[in-house]
Amino acid sequence: GQNIDQPTEMTATEGAIVQINCTYQTSGFNGLFWYQQHAGEAPTFLSYNVLDGLEEKGRFSSFLSRSKGYSYLLLKELQMKDSASYLCAVLNSNYQLIWGAGTKLIIKP
Amino acid sequence: IAGITQAPTSQILAAGRRMTLRCTQDMRHNAMYWYRQDLGLGLRLIHYSNTAGTTGKGEVPDGYSVSRANTDDFPLTLASAVPSQTSVYFCASGRLAGGTDTQYFGPGTRLTVL
Repeated sequence: GQNIDQPTEMTATEGAIVQINCTYQTSGFNGLFWYQQHAGEAPTFLSYNVLDGLEEKGRFSSFLSRSKGYSYLLLKELQMKDSASYLCAVLNSNYQLIWGAGTKLIIKP
Repeated sequence: IAGITQAPTSQILAAGRRMTLRCTQDMRHNAMYWYRQDLGLGLRLIHYSNTAGTTGKGEVPDGYSVSRANTDDFPLTLASAVPSQTSVYFCASGRLAGGTDTQYFGPGTRLTVL
């Protein structure tokens, strides 16, 4: 089967750095997405990786290793508004997105 | 309209009733998607459409049907609702077919089937 694994919940302190990991086993690979979802709201796009390496976008960075089936989302200088769920999704060989259950990130002052 | 809208926002429905969830986008995106989101599970694709006039089945299509008569609208119909269809339903759209492009999500419809 196909699956995406992420930690269910993480806690971090305002101003700190947090890394959210995602491992995947899918039928083929055509890219990996990270989305942010605040409670009661719709997911919004954060990043897309299709090649190995680090993609940096402001306070957020996303890393991909295709050989290891692994990605992480790095959030720096955490702010209270970063409290949300972070969803990892992989586009498989059939060009269908397989979604992880999401990681709920709790930011404490 | 700006972006993608869904209606209704929430609904309580008796089992066995027919229900259509509406989705409209004004971005002229080719692809549209319907997902359901349940606690502890990832988003699961119900149906999709790569372009107007075509539709396809996703991971969990049973009990649902869709149509894509034009670019903007992509309604989802539950022919005879059952309690297991209680969920939050998200409609999404993307510029390119095949899921390779960013997907933009509507605000969701919270459906409770009793």
